[in-house]
Amino acid sequence: KNQVEQSPQSLIILEGKNCTLQCNYTVSPFSNLRWYKQDTGRGPVSLTIMTFSENTKSNGRYTATLDADTKQSSLHITASQLSDSASYICVVIGVMDSNYQLIWGAGTKLIIKP
Amino acid sequence: ETGVTQSPTHLIKTRGQQVTLRCSSQSGHNTVSWYQQALGQGPQFIFQYYREEENGRGNFPPRFSGLQFPNYSSELNVNALELDDSALYLCASSPPGRQNYGYTFGSGTRLTVV
Repeated sequence: KNQVEQSPQSLIILEGKNCTLQCNYTVSPFSNLRWYKQDTGRGPVSLTIMTFSENTKSNGRYTATLDADTKQSSLHITASQLSDSASYICVVIGVMDSNYQLIWGAGTKLIIKP
Repeated sequence: ETGVTQSPTHLIKTRGQQVTLRCSSQSGHNTVSWYQQALGQGPQFIFQYYREEENGRGNFPPRFSGLQFPNYSSELNVNALELDDSALYLCASSPPGRQNYGYTFGSGTRLTVV
């Protein structure tokens, strides 16, 4: 069964600290993996998109890694800011019935405290 | 280049009523997909439209239906609303030939069924 699991479910850190969010998936065949940031009640905003051949991709203070062999990805946030408080969702694009489909993780709720 | 726009932003309906949500895709995007996101959960795929036809559907009952118009905008219709239909409804569009890569999300419509 195609699944995406994220950990931790929630995380509280102090402003300025770093953190790492995890994503494990069982989606096959696999097209690409992306991390989204979603503020409460708003649509997801793409942070990174990675194909199976890419190991690392950065977007400012966000750095995503991908290990296609172990089917694991991580999102590292450096020098956190209050505006980083949001849900971070890992999404894997799989191929089902000749169509691309997004398989969503449940997200990690990140809270940055001053 | 305009992004994905959804309307209305918020909506309150009574159980048993019908609702229509609207989505304008990003310029140049011809595929539109709809998602339902309950509070605290990840988005669930409802269906996808390409060239005005549904070409993928998630595990949602027939009272969830949709349309795509020649200008690639789309509507999501829900009949006989139930309390559990209360959620954030997200629309995403993707460009020709890159349905696996270029998903852009709107800010969503918050539907409350009372």
